[in-house]
Amino acid sequence: GAVVSQHPSRVICKSGTSVKIECRSLDFQATTMFWYRQFPKQSLMLMATSNEGSKATYEQGVEKDKFLINHASLTLSTLTVTSAHPEDSSFYICSAPDGTNYGYTFGSGTRLTVV
Amino acid sequence: GENVEQHPSTLSVQEGDSAVIKCTYSDSASNYFPWYKQELGKRPQLIIDIRSNVGEKKDQRIAVTLNKTAKHFSLHITETQPEDSAVYFCAAGIYNFNKFYFGSGTKLNVKP
Repeated sequence: GAVVSQHPSRVICKSGTSVKIECRSLDFQATTMFWYRQFPKQSLMLMATSNEGSKATYEQGVEKDKFLINHASLTLSTLTVTSAHPEDSSFYICSAPDGTNYGYTFGSGTRLTVV
Repeated sequence: GENVEQHPSTLSVQEGDSAVIKCTYSDSASNYFPWYKQELGKRPQLIIDIRSNVGEKKDQRIAVTLNKTAKHFSLHITETQPEDSAVYFCAAGIYNFNKFYFGSGTKLNVKP
């Protein structure tokens, strides 16, 4: 089946630094990918929609200058958390429509801890 | 935008009993309603979905019902097993817009 590979799975960074998270569709092309964040014991919150070859679409309240999204190819989308702060610590997860009927595949997620 | 509410937040049932999780949504334009199961530390996995042109869908022990007029949909799990224990999320959205909004999740605990 369709696979979305997400890296890294865990990252610890110092406050003020930037962290890049990658999502790759391994056996299908994804012109669109979605980025979510999930706080402990809470739901998935849609952050932005990543579009190949064009600017990402951000949800209301999400700072586009803080969460930079790049979708440079049909199989790769990246989320960069810039100038990270402890409140950015969260579980970040991507998903992509996998070409099946209404099918979406999630990456394995990245647990970001900012110290 | 879409607002999805999910209840209950936690649910404990005895093995073999049924479990029902309910969600409501606000945007009448939403036409696709998936349910995801997320085990601890793992990615969400789609378990069942329903489109707005049907009122009910069943897959073995799992069923989903949709009431478009009332804007609510429910997940029904029958003959629950301990391995059903997980957090379940409902979602709603418009497929052509490729955008979905999730409920707050229900932690299901099936006691053996």
